[in-house]
Amino acid sequence: SQQGEEDPQALSIQEGENATMNCSYKTSINNLQWYRQNSGRGLVHLILIRSNEREKHSGRLRVTLDTSKKSSSLLITASRAADTASYFCATDARIQGAQKLVFGQGTRLTINP
Amino acid sequence: DTGVSQDPRHKITKRGQNVTFRCDPISEHNRLYWYRQTLGQGPEFLTYFQNEAQLEKSRLLSDRFSAERPKGSFSTLEIQRTEQGDSAMYLCASSLWRASFVDTQYFGPGTRLTVL
Repeated sequence: SQQGEEDPQALSIQEGENATMNCSYKTSINNLQWYRQNSGRGLVHLILIRSNEREKHSGRLRVTLDTSKKSSSLLITASRAADTASYFCATDARIQGAQKLVFGQGTRLTINP
Repeated sequence: DTGVSQDPRHKITKRGQNVTFRCDPISEHNRLYWYRQTLGQGPEFLTYFQNEAQLEKSRLLSDRFSAERPKGSFSTLEIQRTEQGDSAMYLCASSLWRASFVDTQYFGPGTRLTVL
């Protein structure tokens, strides 16, 4: 079963605008990661935020984490056509020995030129 | 290219046939993971290895599925007696795990399986 739920499922914006995607999860986590997937391709790791962190930046990416609400958001600023992809959050559940990532269903982001 | 590689990239087979996929992880990565992804969904964990030991298997991994990592380097995933429901993208990922560190998983391009 999938742990996370991304919202919205699909997002279409104009190039240059900011894109915000949200992720909610169910169980306690060690960390939360965001991945990007271009159509029919493998996943590319974007950013990791630990459970004791509240915000993290990487280039045009900003991730927030609210463990009390079990939610995270990914903001992409000044979007580009090349940002068109599906974005997934993944949690590393706090279960001893478990190392699997549990992914949400993803947000399909389309950047219109 | 020193990333994770998978072979083949695409496989079309008839129901009932056996298929085998190969994954070559990033050199010196001690953990290797297999995931399955169906259309419009996120990847779902199947199994993972630390070196040559298979440490965890998902309930998704039926008896028709078997994975190996014989020398702690490349891995194979075999599906016997394929069914149409096995059609999916099979993703491999590897990571360098060390105690007290978070290991980031790096994914390969995937093998897309179509069972007719």
